[in-house]
Amino acid sequence: QVHLVQSGAEVKKPGSSVKVSCKASGDSISREAISWVRQGPGQGLEYMGRVIPILGVSTYAQKFQGRVTITADKSTSTAYMELTRLKSEDTAVYYCARVGSYYYYAMDVWGQGTTVTVSS
Amino acid sequence: QSVLTQPPSVSAAPGQKVTISCSGSSSNIGNSYVSWYQQFPGTAPKLLIYDSNKRPPGIPDRFSGSKSGTSATLGITGLQTGDEADYYCATWDASLGAFGTGTKVTVL
Repeated sequence: QVHLVQSGAEVKKPGSSVKVSCKASGDSISREAISWVRQGPGQGLEYMGRVIPILGVSTYAQKFQGRVTITADKSTSTAYMELTRLKSEDTAVYYCARVGSYYYYAMDVWGQGTTVTVSS
Repeated sequence: QSVLTQPPSVSAAPGQKVTISCSGSSSNIGNSYVSWYQQFPGTAPKLLIYDSNKRPPGIPDRFSGSKSGTSATLGITGLQTGDEADYYCATWDASLGAFGTGTKVTVL
């Protein structure tokens, strides 16, 4: 059974960047895509994009195009999400989630979430 | 802006049934798999239903799902106080993920 463990909370200044990690334990992440989803305070879930580690291919939601980079390191079973040019509106909890092909591409395993606070 | 529309809230007494609708379009729900997630405050979402109507191991059969055309529905029967949570539908739209607006279930 795979578990996804994310890096700790971050506090960032507007205009800076943040990079959040998501390490898989119990199984390799190579075969399945890893998605990133965020949730602003009191808000719903917002899809950001995903990476397919075995292919090294990433796709991004239009809203985040040009500001987000999602990558994966197969050797360490770790996925990363980097968001640049941070704004106060980027304050949110960021989740990684495995896109399980066995579950018809539902997000079957989730990380615990990483709180990113953007404040001057 | 979410492309999938859900009612903001639904409520019912313990033991009763609630249904949550998820309205999309031919480019998302009408053309892809639908999943549902349960989220309690301060915790990560949990997969409840996949492929419109299948339950992962450990999910009680009180939870059910269906899909018709460009809409999907989550049903919860025998409502329990522990079911009070936010529920989200999700699907894929041109290979990009899409979540519903979310529905808060309240047990009266």
